[in-house]
Amino acid sequence: NAGVTQTPKFRVLKTGQSMTLLCAQDMNHEYMYWYRQDPGMGLRLIHYSVGEGTTAKGEVPDGYNVSRLKKQNFLLGLESAAPSQTSVYFCASSLDSSGANVLTFGAGSRLTVL
Amino acid sequence: GQNIDQPTEMTATEGAIVQINCTYQTSGFNGLFWYQQHAGEAPTFLSYNVLDGLEEKGRFSSFLSRSKGYSYLLLKELQMKDSASYLCAVRDSNYQLIWGAGTKLIIKP
Repeated sequence: NAGVTQTPKFRVLKTGQSMTLLCAQDMNHEYMYWYRQDPGMGLRLIHYSVGEGTTAKGEVPDGYNVSRLKKQNFLLGLESAAPSQTSVYFCASSLDSSGANVLTFGAGSRLTVL
Repeated sequence: GQNIDQPTEMTATEGAIVQINCTYQTSGFNGLFWYQQHAGEAPTFLSYNVLDGLEEKGRFSSFLSRSKGYSYLLLKELQMKDSASYLCAVRDSNYQLIWGAGTKLIIKP
């Protein structure tokens, strides 16, 4: 089982460029999340989805957009990249948000914006 | 505001025991999680506490006191492979996870 797969693993962008991070899960999970991880800070939720066709804003949504057209895929878009968006991005999924349902994370995507 | 506090870094010796503390102030409480994250890798689940007390899982144990807003992760018989960051996360009243910045654990031979 692949679990959660993120592409690309590394990307360098220039300020103002756009890009999309792809996340795919094969566990039939309803919930999917995009986090960013920066040094000295906890994981911060960007956007999340509670099912196919739904999206919701997290703690730090500005500058990002998402789509969940298929249950297994969750896309994160940067329309006009800024240096402040240099970070490691993690996609995660879970069956739901209650009880002991844990998050399964992808391997991460390291993005540098020059 | 919501806050999770953990020590930034800890050092321990191979074969020893180490306790990593986590204190939290959140809007409600619906469970506390510990994740392990090796450098350059994804976080992986270690433990879950929702009731007060100790949960034991092999060499790892996690304790929770809801009245004190406090948890700890206890690692016994430390091995070099335990060198990693340990992330504490609390699920709040909206079922959102609030994450601590993580504790980097360095194991020395």
